[in-house]
Amino acid sequence: KAGVTQTPRYLIKTRGQQVTLSCSPISGHRSVSWYQQTPGQGLQFLFEYFSETQRNKGNFPGRFSGRQFSNSRSEMNVSTLELGDSALYLCASSRGAPGELFFGEGSRLTVL
Amino acid sequence: GENVEQHPSTLSVQEGDSAVIKCTYSDSASNYFPWYKQELGKGPQLIIDIRSNVGEKKDQRIAVTLNKTAKHFSLHITETQPEDSAVYFCAASNDDYKLSFGAGTTVTVRA
Repeated sequence: KAGVTQTPRYLIKTRGQQVTLSCSPISGHRSVSWYQQTPGQGLQFLFEYFSETQRNKGNFPGRFSGRQFSNSRSEMNVSTLELGDSALYLCASSRGAPGELFFGEGSRLTVL
Repeated sequence: GENVEQHPSTLSVQEGDSAVIKCTYSDSASNYFPWYKQELGKGPQLIIDIRSNVGEKKDQRIAVTLNKTAKHFSLHITETQPEDSAVYFCAASNDDYKLSFGAGTTVTVRA
């Protein structure tokens, strides 16, 4: 059974640009969550989607957005990139009920 | 919102000894407490979890205890092995589809 797949694994952007990250959940999982991981702030919740609907959102500015497609794949977008957006962005999937999350290996974003 | 504090931030143990990591949480409504292990270059992996209706759970060398009254929970690893070296995160959730994580504990097992 394939795990959570995130693309791209690494990317470098410059300030002011925008970026789109993609996540394919485990087959059969309908919930996708996104987390930002940085050395200073640790793991912070961005948002969670289930059946194309956002069920919860963390305390991030509106530059961070996401969406989920009918096949449960998800994308997150960060517009007008800032240096502080450099981080490992982790996607996690689950069946949908509160509980175990399965994380991907992350997309490491560097903003120059 | 939920605030999870985790101690210690680093832990060095001799192979074969036990390791204990402690976490406290602030939201009394939290009812799910997972522990994740993250190895270098990988995403966090669930190693054990506990729900609020249980006080203790064990899986081979790993055990978790929960004290709801004191709002703290702990991870115990016995007979540590070099492959246990990693960063461990505790987390808490109250059925709102998000996890609040502790800051992490870097565990080093000395051979």
